[in-house]
Amino acid sequence: AQSVTQLGSHVSVSEGALVLLRCNYSSSVPPYLFWYVQYPNQGLQLLLKYTTGATLVKGINGFEAEFKKSETSFHLTKPSAHMSDAAEYFCAVSGTGSARQLTFGSGTQLTVLP
Amino acid sequence: DGGITQSPKYLFRKEGQNVTLSCEQNLNHDAMYWYRQDPGQGLRLIYYSQIVNDFQKGDIAEGYSVSREKKESFPLTVTSAQKNPTAFYLCASSTTGGSTGELFFGEGSRLTVL
Repeated sequence: AQSVTQLGSHVSVSEGALVLLRCNYSSSVPPYLFWYVQYPNQGLQLLLKYTTGATLVKGINGFEAEFKKSETSFHLTKPSAHMSDAAEYFCAVSGTGSARQLTFGSGTQLTVLP
Repeated sequence: DGGITQSPKYLFRKEGQNVTLSCEQNLNHDAMYWYRQDPGQGLRLIYYSQIVNDFQKGDIAEGYSVSREKKESFPLTVTSAQKNPTAFYLCASSTTGGSTGELFFGEGSRLTVL
């Protein structure tokens, strides 16, 4: 079984400041890891994913995440926050089986202050 | 454009009534999913289907029913047995067989019970 813990249900940053959203996972097999973003009353959109290979993954909108196996972490970062980054962010881990179902964290609401 | 279409986007229901949420995809994906989203609780899996005419219960299936008569369609019925049906419902799909587990989401349906 796998699980995901997102530290901090709400994070506030100033526009132009570093964004850091934390995600730790547990998995009994080598994980596939994902970050999704959700804007109000919309579905989830994939930001980035780690499957194999390079541990630093770049995604859309300037976001990136680094897979650290020793720390079982997959934190999401962006060097400079923009007002349009305000949204809810979900970390997810993929399990075993033919469908590799995703398990989601509880989400982090990002607020960007002017 | 390929994608997932959910309808209706907003739905109001009186207590004791069943309601069916539609989900259609033209991505040629084998697997389809229904999630429920409540504030602060992330996404919880209701039902999923990996192939036509077959589906499995997720973590919170009580009070819900589904069918999968066509590859493209996976409707969800919220029955009167569901004790607290007011929520945001998300449909998703994915490939199978070697998939990373990445999910593609619809825009969601918000159900309010009056």
